[in-house]
Amino acid sequence: GQSLEQPSEVTAVEGAIVQINCTYQTSGFYGLSWYQQHDGGAPTFLSYNALDGLEETGRFSSFLSRSDSYGYLLLQELQMKDSASYFCAVKWGSGGYQKVTFGTGTKLQVIP
Amino acid sequence: EPEVTQTPSHQVTQMGQEVILRCVPISNHLYFYWYRQILGQKVEFLVSFYNNEISEKSEIFDDQFSVERPDGSNFTLKIRSTKLEDSAMYFCASSTTEATKNIQYFGAGTRLSVL
Repeated sequence: GQSLEQPSEVTAVEGAIVQINCTYQTSGFYGLSWYQQHDGGAPTFLSYNALDGLEETGRFSSFLSRSDSYGYLLLQELQMKDSASYFCAVKWGSGGYQKVTFGTGTKLQVIP
Repeated sequence: EPEVTQTPSHQVTQMGQEVILRCVPISNHLYFYWYRQILGQKVEFLVSFYNNEISEKSEIFDDQFSVERPDGSNFTLKIRSTKLEDSAMYFCASSTTEATKNIQYFGAGTRLSVL
């Protein structure tokens, strides 16, 4: 089966940098996505990594190491509005059909 | 900006009743998904749909669940006989055919309360 591990909670100071790690176990791995979800809201796509390395999108960056089954989301210049839950999600499957399995989420609290 | 819309935002039903949750995916998207999220827990994949048929489903998606694309715009999830444990937020999502990315756009969700 698929399993993903990420920390349950992280607290960081406004303006700082925070890294949220995700390790996964899956067969038929295609890629790793990150989603943000504010309380009561829908998940919002942040990034997707299919290949090893760093993807940068504004203040957010995501990293993947396929050999280590590991990725992380890096948030820079933290703002109060970044307080939310962050989910990593693996895209996996075979034969052209793909599923997405979400991790349990990391609740990020940004403090002044 | 195009978005996925879901109706109703909140559905209350009695145990054993049938419910239909409705979704209008983004118009040029071809892949559709349903997820559920029990309060305080992670998002769980239910089913994916492509080319008018189910492409993948999870073990949660048993015989009491079904999906349909009755016309060119709607995508529905039917729960035949609701149970208390079906109470959750149900999210619909859609995505394009980009080969290298799978950006899923989520609707705002339908909160299902089974009494």
